[in-house]
Amino acid sequence: SYELTQPPSVSVSPGQTASITCSGDKLGDKHACWYQQKPGQSPVLVIFQDIYQAGKRPSGIPERFSGSNSGNTATLTISGTQAMDEADYYCQAWDSSTARVVFGGGTKLTVL
Amino acid sequence: EVQLVESGGGLVQPGGSLRLSCAASGFTFSSYSMNWVRQAPGKGLEWVSYISSSSRTIYYADSVKGRFTISRDNAKNSLYLQMNSLRAEDTAVYFCAREGESSRYFDYWGQGTLVTVSS
Repeated sequence: SYELTQPPSVSVSPGQTASITCSGDKLGDKHACWYQQKPGQSPVLVIFQDIYQAGKRPSGIPERFSGSNSGNTATLTISGTQAMDEADYYCQAWDSSTARVVFGGGTKLTVL
Repeated sequence: EVQLVESGGGLVQPGGSLRLSCAASGFTFSSYSMNWVRQAPGKGLEWVSYISSSSRTIYYADSVKGRFTISRDNAKNSLYLQMNSLRAEDTAVYFCAREGESSRYFDYWGQGTLVTVSS
């Protein structure tokens, strides 16, 4: 079955750039997206990809969130990280060969 | 404003059944594919099932295939998940999620409903 691998945790200082990776076989050929989840809340879509463009932000998501997807790795980048960005982040892709949605294991972002 | 409100969760014994509902509002429900995603306590997200806008296409995760049934009623703007033969490992918060227009991402999520399978 298709798997997506994320680092369990990433730390960043306020104002610096945080990068969270998501690895999977030929992930660049799939449409990867990212969700932010804060404790006790539902996930929020922060970056998505469609047939037209990668790294798209839904309405209301700050410009400091960006994404890329190439080769075997998708990356979520948060520029000028703020304390409010501390959360769990999940990547997700669609595996068309098995008709399954796949989530990465999640990365806990700590801003300290 | 798009709203998804889940209901139907609760405590059920192993082997029991439960039916979850998701009431949708603020958008044309019949135009969107929908999904169920769950999250076990302290764990990550796990996709459960997908249903297309017309109900013509349905997919399940291997972990629930043969036990869970997804359905929808476009006239009632509602999504359902019938869960049978429940196991302890099905204990989780269950979210309904709307699928985006142009790809398989989830642009709106409900607040979730907790299902606890325990004797």
